[in-house]
Amino acid sequence: DVKVTQSSRYLVKRTGEKVFLECVQDMDHENMFWYRQDPGLGLRLIYFSYDVKMKEKGDIPEGYSVSREKKERFSLILESASTNQTSMYLCASTPPLSFEQYFGPGTRLTVT
Amino acid sequence: AQSVTQLDSQVPVFEEAPVELRCNYSSSVSVYLFWYVQYPNQGLQLLLKYLSGSTLVKGINGFEAEFNKSQTSFHLRKPSVHISDTAEYFCAVSDRGYSTLTFGKGTMLLVSP
Repeated sequence: DVKVTQSSRYLVKRTGEKVFLECVQDMDHENMFWYRQDPGLGLRLIYFSYDVKMKEKGDIPEGYSVSREKKERFSLILESASTNQTSMYLCASTPPLSFEQYFGPGTRLTVT
Repeated sequence: AQSVTQLDSQVPVFEEAPVELRCNYSSSVSVYLFWYVQYPNQGLQLLLKYLSGSTLVKGINGFEAEFNKSQTSFHLRKPSVHISDTAEYFCAVSDRGYSTLTFGKGTMLLVSP
């Protein structure tokens, strides 16, 4: 079974802190994605990566950056957390030539 | 730009009743279509997908969906729901490359006894 893990289920940070959200997949998938999920807004794509060190902006990249130094790991970085970044963050990955995304359990981030 | 519209934010239904969750998309190119389910406090799980071929697609847990190109719709149906089907359901479309998906805003299915 494909396994996508996220470093924390719940996280509480203060405004202005630098926040790292980690995602690891164990199936050698090329494409990895970060979404945020908010009530009534569904999932919105923040960034994605199609290879090591390669990244592309999604629909709402402002205030975020990403890092992919190894194929299995994709990190989302909030350089200076703000209260409007309080949300559920979901990581996903896809195998080559597939459109099926496999999701991690999510990290619920609260910025106070 | 593509978009996905899920017309109902909540659908209440009694156990063993049939249900239809509606999804419409807009795209000028061929698309791939998906339904995902999210149970409370979990990530998303693929329910079913349409890539090509038969327009009636069967998925897990007794769900099915029908692709209608002329109406740009991909509605999800189940003939008899269970309490355990209570979850949020997301329709998604892929046509942007790199397997990216655009999601609808979700429909919460609430099944009561």
